[in-house]
Amino acid sequence: DAKTTQPNSMESNEEEPVHLPCNHSTISGTDYIHWYRQLPSQGPEYVIHGLTSNVNNRMASLAIAEDRKSSTLILHRATLRDAAVYYCILKRYNFNKFYFGSGTKLNVKP
Amino acid sequence: EAQVTQNPRYLITVTGKKLTVTCSQNMNHEYMSWYRQDPGLGLRQIYYSMNVEVTDKGDVPEGYKVSRKEKRNFPLILESPSPNQTSLYFCASSFYNSPLHFGNGTRLTVT
Repeated sequence: DAKTTQPNSMESNEEEPVHLPCNHSTISGTDYIHWYRQLPSQGPEYVIHGLTSNVNNRMASLAIAEDRKSSTLILHRATLRDAAVYYCILKRYNFNKFYFGSGTKLNVKP
Repeated sequence: EAQVTQNPRYLITVTGKKLTVTCSQNMNHEYMSWYRQDPGLGLRQIYYSMNVEVTDKGDVPEGYKVSRKEKRNFPLILESPSPNQTSLYFCASSFYNSPLHFGNGTRLTVT
């Protein structure tokens, strides 16, 4: 089963960009890279996902390395509401298993 | 409003007393799943269901049962709860190959 490696915690200042890294050296060709985040006392919520190309949505951007062995979730302007645990997950196409690791706890300072 | 609803939000019970945690979704999703979250271990999948009457084990199924008699509901059953099943439980649903929608969790304490 393909696994991901993320730093345990990161800190950012409010209104600055945040780059959350994820390593997935054993990724296979049909694995999609998903990011979820979990705010305190809530269930995880979907942020973004991609396969090979960089992706943007209203919440964040996802930058995927050319060899797909790593990716970076980019929050363009961190707010206090972005303080959460961010999970990088590999999801195999047509295989409904999501492996959540321990994630990165993001602290945003005012 | 599209949502996944879990009940109850909090539950304290004693060892061996059967309990059911309900999960319902109103998005007509085929796929539903249960996770437990423990400190330092992240979220681990207990059971999942690809559609009505189709269920399969996740990574930590021991001590749990599920059923999927209707598309919208996916209850989690603990026939004989034990203290090691004290945890935070999440139900999730999705269309096939789409992102998951999670409920707000059920905090279970077994004494």
